[in-house]
Order: sequence, then C-alpha cells, then structure tokens
Amino acid sequence: NAGVMQNPRHLVRRRGQEARLRCSPMKGHSHVYWYRQLPEEGLKFMVYLQKENIIDESGMPKERFSAEFPKEGPSILRIQQVVRGDSAAYFCASSPLRQESNYGYTFGSGTRLTVV
Amino acid sequence: QKEVEQNSGPLSVPEGAIASLNCTYSDRGSQSFFWYRQYSGKSPELIMFIYSNGDKEDGRFTAQLNKASQYVSLLIRDSQPSDSATYLCAVRNTGGFKTIFGAGTRLFVKA
Repeated sequence: NAGVMQNPRHLVRRRGQEARLRCSPMKGHSHVYWYRQLPEEGLKFMVYLQKENIIDESGMPKERFSAEFPKEGPSILRIQQVVRGDSAAYFCASSPLRQESNYGYTFGSGTRLTVV
Repeated sequence: QKEVEQNSGPLSVPEGAIASLNCTYSDRGSQSFFWYRQYSGKSPELIMFIYSNGDKEDGRFTAQLNKASQYVSLLIRDSQPSDSATYLCAVRNTGGFKTIFGAGTRLFVKA
C-alpha cells in the first residue's frame, strides 16, 4: 500500500543540464500537485494535473519548466537548462478523482535538486 | 500582502508548556484550513484540518478558526521535544483545487 512515490530522492545537475523529477501518485489517485520549497521557505504551488491534462499551472515559471501526467506512468516535472536558483526540494502530492474540500495532502518524500 | 502569513519564529517553549501558532489568510472565500508539521529534511505531514468556525481537538492538538477575522491557530498542549519542527499553515482556495501554504513557524521545545 505504497504512498506517493517520488524519485530520485537526490538529484545533482550542472548548470545548463536538464532535470527530470518523477512522481507516482497513491493507488487510485488521478490528481497530482507539484510544490517547490526553497531553503527556509514554505511550499510554493507550481502545477496541478489530472491524467493527460494540466488543470492549473499558475505557479510554474513560464520558461524552462514543464509538467505532464500521461495516461500511463508517473507524473514528470521537467526543468530544462537548470540554474543555481532551481536548487530546492520539489514535493508531489496526490488526491482522488473527487477531492473533498477537507482532503489533506499526503506528500511524497520529495526530490532534492542541487544545481552546481 | 501574502496569501497566508505566519510568524517565522523561532518560537521557543519549555517542555510541558502550551505552544500557540498563528496564521492569517487573505482570501475571505477560503473554505478549508490545514496544519502540517515538517521535520528538517523531511516532507510535510498533515496534523489537522478545520473548516468550521470554532475549535477542533485531536489529542494534544487544537485547531481554532475564526473566519470573520481570517485567522487560524494551532495549540499544542504538553509540548514535547519531539514537537520541535516547522509548522505550516495551509489554506484551500475558493475553487478547491489549490492549497496555499504559509512560510511556516519554527517551534523549539526545550527539555
């Protein structure tokens, strides 16, 4: 009965490389939320996806960042041409098809991205 | 004005005392309110949620909500050193799709 699974746990990239972060939601969940947490800061909403649809990407930078949640497989957060400022912890959460208003998130363990 | 505001702390309380954590939010139409605890280097974990005005108790934790004042708080009774963590206040927006987090309050419980 796995929870939200994220991998890798730690990712080191050189400036200019691409970073791919993966998130497998809890069983039976078809909605995924990505958040970014900079050191000593709270969680910042990035994007909300359903299978094959982006519902809300208002928190995602317009350039270099993209997200997908295909019909099969995990959700992917992709960062192209990474810069030092992208270094952060990226957390993913999931919810069932019908999210009740009082549904609290279960987060994955996160991916800690370090850009060197 | 930030959507969800918390004092960053640190808040330091002696073991056994009551820790009081506060949060204000700007969207008057917000429906649901959550408290998460985050240990250093770990992911946030849900402690409590509240959506009606008043108090909600769960063990040593009590969440309080005042929608008129746009204020939500978390009380931790009989604080333990293991409660030392960052506490994140979160608010679900009117549309119900997005949860906004405050920057968190760091709590230290001294043994």
